[in-house]
Amino acid sequence: QLQLQESGPGVVKSSETLSLTCIVSSGSISSSTYYWGWIRQSPAKGLEWIGSVSKSGSTYSNPSLKGRVFISIDTSKTQFSLRLTSVTAADTAVYFCARLPGSSTWYFDLWGRGTLVTVSS
Amino acid sequence: DIQMTQSPSTLSASVGDRVTITCRASQSIISWLAWYQQRPGKAPNLLIYEASTLESGVPSRFSGSGSGTEFTLTISSLQPDDFATYYCQQYHSSPGTFGQGTKVEIK
Repeated sequence: QLQLQESGPGVVKSSETLSLTCIVSSGSISSSTYYWGWIRQSPAKGLEWIGSVSKSGSTYSNPSLKGRVFISIDTSKTQFSLRLTSVTAADTAVYFCARLPGSSTWYFDLWGRGTLVTVSS
Repeated sequence: DIQMTQSPSTLSASVGDRVTITCRASQSIISWLAWYQQRPGKAPNLLIYEASTLESGVPSRFSGSGSGTEFTLTISSLQPDDFATYYCQQYHSSPGTFGQGTKVEIK
């Protein structure tokens, strides 16, 4: 069964760039209509959709993150990645990667376990 | 962004109880609504999409209804595994937005 696993540093310094990768195992990332996305969860903001990417590399990001989000996909490595620039303490959260069923069905039907990222000063 | 408001925030119930959670949208989302269950320390798990369609593998005691701006998630007979936090999410307009959650506690 398809599984998603987030990887990346657990601590990022303020003003630097948060980089996470989601490794997709036991399945293909490129031979379907699925989209792939990132969500974060914090006590202050709850669940927040960060952005998503298609197998062809088309991306969407939440306007509230003001152009700081960059999402990419590497189908040869069956993984997709998130970069969030100029982080502040407000970006401290558990970050999840997830699968979306398609281009017009933007809910999440499969999730990674999540990884806590803390922004330090 | 569309605002999603859940009620109640916390619900105390016993095993076997019928439980209903409400989710209201700040504007019509037709039926583009999903429900998730999240246990402590775990990722959310999809229960229902398109307001009333049960995700594969989800027990039939879970059901969803509603359209427009008001939606409900019902658990017909609460089981020990069901004590968790539940979230709604609209996907009518981007960005998809989540409710603040309803925690179902043991009474």
